[in-house]
Amino acid sequence: QQQVKQSPQSLIVQKGGISIINCAYENTAFDYFPWYQQFPGKGPALLIAIRPDVSEKKEGRFTISFNKSAKQFSLHIMDSQPGDSATYFCAAIVGSRLTFGEGTQLTVNP
Amino acid sequence: DTAVSQTPKYLVTQMGNDKSIKCEQNLGHDTMYWYKQDSKKFLKIMFSYNNKELIINETVPNRFSPKSPDKAHLNLHINSLELGDSAVYFCASTLSGTGGVFGPGTRLTVL
Repeated sequence: QQQVKQSPQSLIVQKGGISIINCAYENTAFDYFPWYQQFPGKGPALLIAIRPDVSEKKEGRFTISFNKSAKQFSLHIMDSQPGDSATYFCAAIVGSRLTFGEGTQLTVNP
Repeated sequence: DTAVSQTPKYLVTQMGNDKSIKCEQNLGHDTMYWYKQDSKKFLKIMFSYNNKELIINETVPNRFSPKSPDKAHLNLHINSLELGDSAVYFCASTLSGTGGVFGPGTRLTVL
């Protein structure tokens, strides 16, 4: 049973546009929600994270929006750049268990 | 300095062989993990150790055996390798309840 569902599976955006990736979770015990960025041949790297008592967190061009009642959260990448092209994973943590979404392949065209 | 390191980076071997992957972290984290990433890039947790104690053991064939000699090291030994074991294996470490730091991965190819 997939506890964290991520969409879309792939996303193509023009340079300068906004990329939006969505995730939904089921387990209300999750208490930390990180996003990871993975480039080909590399390990996932922590990008930004949020706790459920906060509705939004912004770091540079990256923003997490969190809706606790809907059990949904999303990543917004403003002014998307070709260098942002990568696979993005949402995740949710309870205790020591990190559960990943299925991943989104983002392509930013120049 | 590398935070989470894995060796080897690439591993090509024949079916039926036994192989090991090693992981070390210098972050002082208390929890370490092994993840498997399949060809569709899905990341699935396999094992987790907290201060050398096994705390997560997912439904993984018992041909896979993790070993943590100390809290900075977590190794993965795989017996009788099968074609379906081909994947990228990632080690990660974390302080409990926070996001993990991942190693560079070990690409295992079983022929």
